Amino acid sequence: ETGVTQTPRHLVMGMTNKKSLKCEQHLGHNAMYWYKQSAKKPLELMFVYSLEERVENNSVPSRFSPECPNSSHLFLHLHTLQPEDSALYLCASSQGRDSSSYNEQFFGPGTRLTVL
Amino acid sequence: AQTVTQSQPEMSVQEAETVTLSCTYDTSESDYYLFWYKQPPSRQMILVIRQEAYKQQNATENRFSVNFQKAAKSFSLKISDSQLGDAAMYFCAYRRYTSYDKVIFGPGTSLSVIP
Repeated sequence: ETGVTQTPRHLVMGMTNKKSLKCEQHLGHNAMYWYKQSAKKPLELMFVYSLEERVENNSVPSRFSPECPNSSHLFLHLHTLQPEDSALYLCASSQGRDSSSYNEQFFGPGTRLTVL
Repeated sequence: AQTVTQSQPEMSVQEAETVTLSCTYDTSESDYYLFWYKQPPSRQMILVIRQEAYKQQNATENRFSVNFQKAAKSFSLKISDSQLGDAAMYFCAYRRYTSYDKVIFGPGTSLSVIP
């Protein structure tokens, strides 16, 4: 596979469930990101990992827990979510730590999450 | 703090015509990158075009070109010979030259292409 992949593509969960979103990049990048995309709102950056170290956490509630076991994989663990957490969750990757390049982000297809 | 504004929530264009999407941004930096991303319905977000702030020449990628006005902090996207496949959300984005890990996105413009 090439690019950035995300699984599952769709997820419906109750507020008491625990689930995980998975992201995998096949581009040899060093940085990975989680974004939340809600209707009629700008993309919200949630977490940034660079070389497997979390470098940014934008005041995200603790019911979202990221994990980056290596530079190719990124997880978002979910527990006791709220209905307002329903959104499209996008993963992205970039070269990272190289300000001489454009360092544009490559996005996965997203996971459409619905919390009942 | 840097911000990115897209003042047109929705736009429409006739097939084969030209459309321009607006983007303005606010920054005190002199070196940075600007991007336009496209997100078709239910499909992956992809990069359309990019521009380095220190380059005066406007970037061009086939039917897509930008009008970069650094002093005005404006970065508009022109789509020529619009095609049905151009229908999508378009996001303008900004990245600081020295910040590898943070891109600021605008709220997006939804473009419809009328056959």
